[in-house]
Amino acid sequence: KNQVEQSPQSLIILEGKNCTLQCNYTVSPFSNLRWYKQDTGRGPVSLTIMTFSENTKSNGRYTATLDADTKQSSLHITASQLSDSASYICVVSEGAGKSTFGDGTTLTVKP
Amino acid sequence: DTGVSQDPRHKITKRGQNVTFRCDPISEHNRLYWYRQTLGQGPEFLTYFQNEAQLEKSRLLSDRFSAERPKGSFSTLEIQRTEQGDSAMYLCASSFPTSGISYNEQFFGPGTRLTVL
Repeated sequence: KNQVEQSPQSLIILEGKNCTLQCNYTVSPFSNLRWYKQDTGRGPVSLTIMTFSENTKSNGRYTATLDADTKQSSLHITASQLSDSASYICVVSEGAGKSTFGDGTTLTVKP
Repeated sequence: DTGVSQDPRHKITKRGQNVTFRCDPISEHNRLYWYRQTLGQGPEFLTYFQNEAQLEKSRLLSDRFSAERPKGSFSTLEIQRTEQGDSAMYLCASSFPTSGISYNEQFFGPGTRLTVL
């Protein structure tokens, strides 16, 4: 069964600090891996997309890494801001519309 | 067209009533997806359409659920005889299949929050 597991489940950090979120997956075949940010009560918004040949992808203060051999990905957030408080969801796609979602990591940034 | 839209944003209904949600995808996106999300969980796949054809349905989509996309544009999701367990956020997403990395990048709508009393 295809699975995406994220850790930690929740995280609290102080504004300005960095943090790293983890994603392990067992999805096969693999097409791409995406990280989404979901604010409370809203739909997810895409942050990064990577195929198996890409090791890292940045989007502003967000940097995602992918190790296709170990089937692990991470999302690193630098210089956190209060607006980064949200749920971060890892999604792994087999292609052709088939995607498996993780349960997300809830990040709280405190002043 | 600035994105995927969903209507209503919130719906409160009594158990046993029928409800219908609407999703308008991004123009020219021929794939449309429905997901259900409960608190603290990631979205769970319900079904998806390519144009007007419903290509896949999850086993989560019981007989009380039906989705349509009659003209290959907007879609509706109907839940009949609602139960308290149906309370969730219902998300719609659309994509335009192309070759390469963006093959199935899905753009999400704001969701419809359903509360069944």
